[in-house]
Amino acid sequence: AQSVAQPEDQVNVAEGNPLTVKCTYSVSGNPYLFWYVQYPNRGLQFLLKYITGDNLVKGSYGFEAEFNKSQTSFHLKKPSALVSDSALYFCVVRDQGGSQGNLIFGKGTKLSVKP
Amino acid sequence: DSGVTQTPKHLITATGQRVTLRCSPRSGDLSVYWYQQSLDQGLQFLIQYYNGEERAKGNILERFSAQQFPDLHSELNLSSLELGDSALYFCASSASVGPAYEQYFGPGTRLTVT
Repeated sequence: AQSVAQPEDQVNVAEGNPLTVKCTYSVSGNPYLFWYVQYPNRGLQFLLKYITGDNLVKGSYGFEAEFNKSQTSFHLKKPSALVSDSALYFCVVRDQGGSQGNLIFGKGTKLSVKP
Repeated sequence: DSGVTQTPKHLITATGQRVTLRCSPRSGDLSVYWYQQSLDQGLQFLIQYYNGEERAKGNILERFSAQQFPDLHSELNLSSLELGDSALYFCASSASVGPAYEQYFGPGTRLTVT
């Protein structure tokens, strides 16, 4: 069965510092990995995806993620955090089993960026 | 703005009642998904439709049902509501059903069962 794990409930970063939100995955077959962000009282927004190819994936709002097959990780990164990046971040894997096509979400990591 | 619309934004109802949540996918998207977000269960996939046909089912209760209409909008029907059904319900759409297609989410409907 496919699954993702986000080991940190919360990440605290000072504005201007680099940020990393961690994610590890477990899949059978090729992984299809995504990051989504949820701002307070709003829906989820797609940030980026890894399907195949380059291990470094660039996405919206200056975010990027590094796919590491040997460590089964897909960490989200940003070189310089903004206060407006404060939100809930979800690492997501595409289900390739019975419910093919739907998304399996991690429990989420709350990012807090302080000025 | 993702282009996916959901109505209503908020819904407050009593136990035992039935409600209908509505979703309009992004223009041109054929696939619609429903998800439930609750504090204890997190975000869970409920059901998927593609071009009017049910395609996949997740953790959807028998009291819940959905359909996708010829104009591609979708409705999620929740009946015999219980307190535990209180949650945020999201609809998402994608252009097709391949694994590479990202899903775009609506703003959600917050359901409160009292």
